[in-house]
Amino acid sequence: DAKTTQPTSMDCAEGRAANLPCNHSTISGNEYVYWYRQIHSQGPQYIIHGLKNNETNEMASLIITEDRKSSTLILPHATLRDTAVYYCIVRLSGGGADGLTFGKGTHLIIQP
Amino acid sequence: DSGVTQTPKHLITATGQRVTLRCSPRSGDLSVYWYQQSLDQGLQFLIQYYNGEERAKGNILERFSAQQFPDLHSELNLSSLELGDSALYFCASSVGRQPYYEQYFGPGTRLTVT
Repeated sequence: DAKTTQPTSMDCAEGRAANLPCNHSTISGNEYVYWYRQIHSQGPQYIIHGLKNNETNEMASLIITEDRKSSTLILPHATLRDTAVYYCIVRLSGGGADGLTFGKGTHLIIQP
Repeated sequence: DSGVTQTPKHLITATGQRVTLRCSPRSGDLSVYWYQQSLDQGLQFLIQYYNGEERAKGNILERFSAQQFPDLHSELNLSSLELGDSALYFCASSVGRQPYYEQYFGPGTRLTVT
């Protein structure tokens, strides 16, 4: 699976959009970009995933650059409950071990 | 609430002992995954079962084993416990066997080995 690079921590004001970047410059054509988050000591929570196109669901939007070497997770109106560690994960679409490889993620702190 | 349940929530035991952690996947999910989260190692994938059969192995120690039963619940058995096995153990489930299916995590079991 491709390696990802994320900032260690970020702050965002409550009510503003939180934009979390992720670099995955070695991504290959059949690898998906996934985002999960973990609120302190709870089980990780799936947020969104995509292959090439931008994706949106009720939680967030995922913007993937045209060359697919980076992506941005957008939480449109951050609340205090969005304070968590956010993990960007790149995974093969088929074959190999199926477990997720979590890095250190980005600790997003929403400020009141 | 992800729909994945894990029991017990907390477990305290002594070195050398054996424990069993239990996981019930979301209704309809055939894959179950086990992860370990410790302070120094972060979240690590241990093992995956799909419809009763072992599908993939990660960093699982030989002292650890798992199985998935016909009703699709899974158990993770940890034996000859050491202090370093103290961690949060998460179970996750997904609908299929392929990596592109999203995984849904349970609340975890906190294991303390004294």
